[in-house]
Amino acid sequence: GQQLNQSPQSMFIQEGEDVSMNCTSSSIFNTWLWYKQDPGEGPVLLIALYKAGELTSNGRLTAQFGITRKDSFLNISASIPSDVGIYFCAGQHSANSKLTFGKGITLSVRP
Amino acid sequence: SQTIHQWPATLVQPVGSPLSLECTVEGTSNPNLYWYRQAAGRGLQLLFYSVGIGQISSEVPQNLSASRPQDRQFILSSKKLLLSDSGFYLCAWSASRTSGSGETQYFGPGTRLLVL
Repeated sequence: GQQLNQSPQSMFIQEGEDVSMNCTSSSIFNTWLWYKQDPGEGPVLLIALYKAGELTSNGRLTAQFGITRKDSFLNISASIPSDVGIYFCAGQHSANSKLTFGKGITLSVRP
Repeated sequence: SQTIHQWPATLVQPVGSPLSLECTVEGTSNPNLYWYRQAAGRGLQLLFYSVGIGQISSEVPQNLSASRPQDRQFILSSKKLLLSDSGFYLCAWSASRTSGSGETQYFGPGTRLLVL
């Protein structure tokens, strides 16, 4: 079945640093989504990407839809303590409405 | 604007007891609705999805069932809970395909279930 790969499982950065997260797939997706989940809460949508090559920003966050349609990355610039959480990528194939999720990356920010 | 609610927020139930978790969506009509389970704070497993009233698709065989009695209400149930049913249950909605606004899913706040 379709799988999305996110690695590493955990990332540790210093406050103020930039961080980049990748999400890769062996199959093509037509939509890429990035979510952030705080402990004990539901995932919150950060950025949605609908076209290959699309680069979209949301404040300090920037995400890109890979040209091959098999990958996406999320950049966080000038990290702050509230960036701590689990970041999930999700892809959607045009054939159905179900999302395929990566396993998430846990981000820790040291003050 | 659209909002999604889940009830209850936390639940502790004994093994063998029944379960009913509720999800309601406001501010939209004919949404696609989803139930996910998240174990140990990681990984989202799709359990059920629904594209309309009374239409339920199951993704994995399990001890749970889902129902959609109203357009914006999605219920997750079990007749007899197992220890392995413990986890964080998330409901999500997306606009129906006919709306043309894509299939981006929006999650509720979740229900934490502990089966003892």
